[in-house]
Amino acid sequence: GQQLNQSPQSMFIQEGEDVSMNCTSSSIFNTWLWYKQDPGEGPVLLIALYKAGELTSNGRLTAQFGITRKDSFLNISASIPSDVGIYFCAGRLIFGGGADGLTFGKGTHLIIQP
Amino acid sequence: DTAVSQTPKYLVTQMGNDKSIKCEQNLGHDTMYWYKQDSKKFLKIMFSYNNKELIINETVPNRFSPKSPDKAHLNLHINSLELGDSAVYFCASRAPGLAGETQYFGPGTRLLVL
Repeated sequence: GQQLNQSPQSMFIQEGEDVSMNCTSSSIFNTWLWYKQDPGEGPVLLIALYKAGELTSNGRLTAQFGITRKDSFLNISASIPSDVGIYFCAGRLIFGGGADGLTFGKGTHLIIQP
Repeated sequence: DTAVSQTPKYLVTQMGNDKSIKCEQNLGHDTMYWYKQDSKKFLKIMFSYNNKELIINETVPNRFSPKSPDKAHLNLHINSLELGDSAVYFCASRAPGLAGETQYFGPGTRLLVL
């Protein structure tokens, strides 16, 4: 099946530092999504990207849909303790119609040291 | 109000038993999904359901069967539970159209098979 390569697998950073993570694929995606999962909860959508080259911000978060449609990155600026969690990239291959699901990366575990 | 809800949150059962997990969404979405998250936090699509059309991930054993009594519900039935079924199961829903490329997840059901 389709795979998304997400890196890094984990990050140990100091509070206040900026964070960067990315996903790449051998396939072209029509949509890139970034989710965050807190312990004991379901994934929560952070940012959705629909066009190649699109750069979107949500507060301290910024994500971009790669021009080749095969990659995306997520940046978090000035990290705070509540940013701790697992961040997932996800892509959807078929645009509109169909009842297909998302393909997820393996997640980036973000740990912040005070 | 919770957009996507699941019950139960925790389910502990013996090997060989049959169990069900319920999912309800109050978003008016047309498409619903079931995902499985393993111990390494990898999320994988199991089923998608849209307007009575069921699409099954070919890797899912036929002991798993989704049932949709109406558009707002997609329940997951599991027969003859095995140890390897232990995981967290997430229900999700998606609206049609461009904005519906995003999916909204429930809080998860933590299944432990003993």
